[in-house]
Amino acid sequence: ETGVTQTPRHLVMGMTNKKSLKCEQHLGHNAMYWYKQSAKKPLELMFVYNFKEQTENNSVPSRFSPECPNSSHLFLHLHTLQPEDSALYLCASSPRDDQPQHFGDGTRLSIL
Amino acid sequence: AQTVTQSQPEMSVQEAETVTLSCTYDTSESDYYLFWYKQPPSRQMILVIRQEAYKQQNATENRFSVNFQKAAKSFSLKISDSQLGDAAMYFCAYQPWDGGATNKLIFGTGTLLAVQP
Repeated sequence: ETGVTQTPRHLVMGMTNKKSLKCEQHLGHNAMYWYKQSAKKPLELMFVYNFKEQTENNSVPSRFSPECPNSSHLFLHLHTLQPEDSALYLCASSPRDDQPQHFGDGTRLSIL
Repeated sequence: AQTVTQSQPEMSVQEAETVTLSCTYDTSESDYYLFWYKQPPSRQMILVIRQEAYKQQNATENRFSVNFQKAAKSFSLKISDSQLGDAAMYFCAYQPWDGGATNKLIFGTGTLLAVQP
């Protein structure tokens, strides 16, 4: 039990599909993050939310749309994705800015 | 821009032996944090150890210790008495400290550690 739960664990979708990734944290943290992990590349920060407000968008294409309805939940809505978007998407949370981040197990996304 | 470099894509160590993983980083900041994360095949990113740049003393966590050389911008991880469960991908990460505006981790490309029985 990591305290940060991501669903689904695996997702296969076509380029024209619309799907959503979900992240839930049970740690009482105030900040949540989406990262993209591609093979042979460093983890890339995508979005940061602090107290439900987006504070960072790391030049992410608009086909990725985050949503943070409350401090415990974070979604990543996907539409019209490209094959290069296939990757492991990791969610993380932290109590505050200077505290370490806790990661979920990730969603393995494959775009056909 | 800050960057993190891990020059060893793969390393191997015998069980019970000691191994050191290298990490260098580039920054013009004086206050920041450094981390080592471990990612086993289960995919969960697990925090191994954390170092505050203002602290001269090297962080230690059981069999894991770091050699933090601030002037050289080097942050290596030493694993003593290696165990089979230590086999994983290890990521070095840098976090700027800008007064709390963001908590932005910058990761290296990782080192895959194999532990031989």
